[in-house]
Amino acid sequence: GQQVMQIPQYQHVQEGEDFTTYCNSSTTLSNIQWYKQRPGGHPVFLIQLVKSGEVKKQKRLTFQFGEAKKNSSLHITATQTTDVGTYFCAKGGTASKLTFGTGTRLQVTL
Amino acid sequence: DTEVTQTPKHLVMGMTNKKSLKCEQHMGHRAMYWYKQKAKKPPELMFVYSYEKLSINESVPSRFSPECPNSSLLNLHLHALQPEDSALYLCASSQAGGARTEAFFGQGTRLTVV
Repeated sequence: GQQVMQIPQYQHVQEGEDFTTYCNSSTTLSNIQWYKQRPGGHPVFLIQLVKSGEVKKQKRLTFQFGEAKKNSSLHITATQTTDVGTYFCAKGGTASKLTFGTGTRLQVTL
Repeated sequence: DTEVTQTPKHLVMGMTNKKSLKCEQHMGHRAMYWYKQKAKKPPELMFVYSYEKLSINESVPSRFSPECPNSSLLNLHLHALQPEDSALYLCASSQAGGARTEAFFGQGTRLTVV
């Protein structure tokens, strides 16, 4: 199947700066999930988006699902060192299949 | 209990060895997954079990053999692995019936094949 691409691959920000990662698919997505994986850790679920144009917020994190359901974004306002990790989007499919995007690694320094 | 427990945490095995990775969850989830993750890469789906039946095999070599003895347990039997199979192996579970619910991941087994 088609892989879901994320950009950028890597971003290094100073604490307090904003950060955005984008997830793009060549095909229409039924839903998109976002996960965070800390260095040395395992993926942890953040959110799921299902509806076209959906926007969800979790404190400093804002998630969007595109109108055409082919792209999604995660925006972090005023990053903190605790935001360090790799952020993956993941597309749902039939038969419980969950396929991860390529990921964006975020580094935050003081 | 929202944990997925994997054992062992680390495993070093020779290319002629046979070993097994184990995964357990008690959340009542009926979908369980094995993923393989290489350094700086995304988790790559290997197998999906739905209601204890293998529903997806992503063309994984036969030296990896999954088993789901009951709704709480998932095993991955390893035999005659290659050094390139060294990776983090992640188990996950979710409610069954489509990929519309969150997946819970275990801490993983870091496998080294020598």
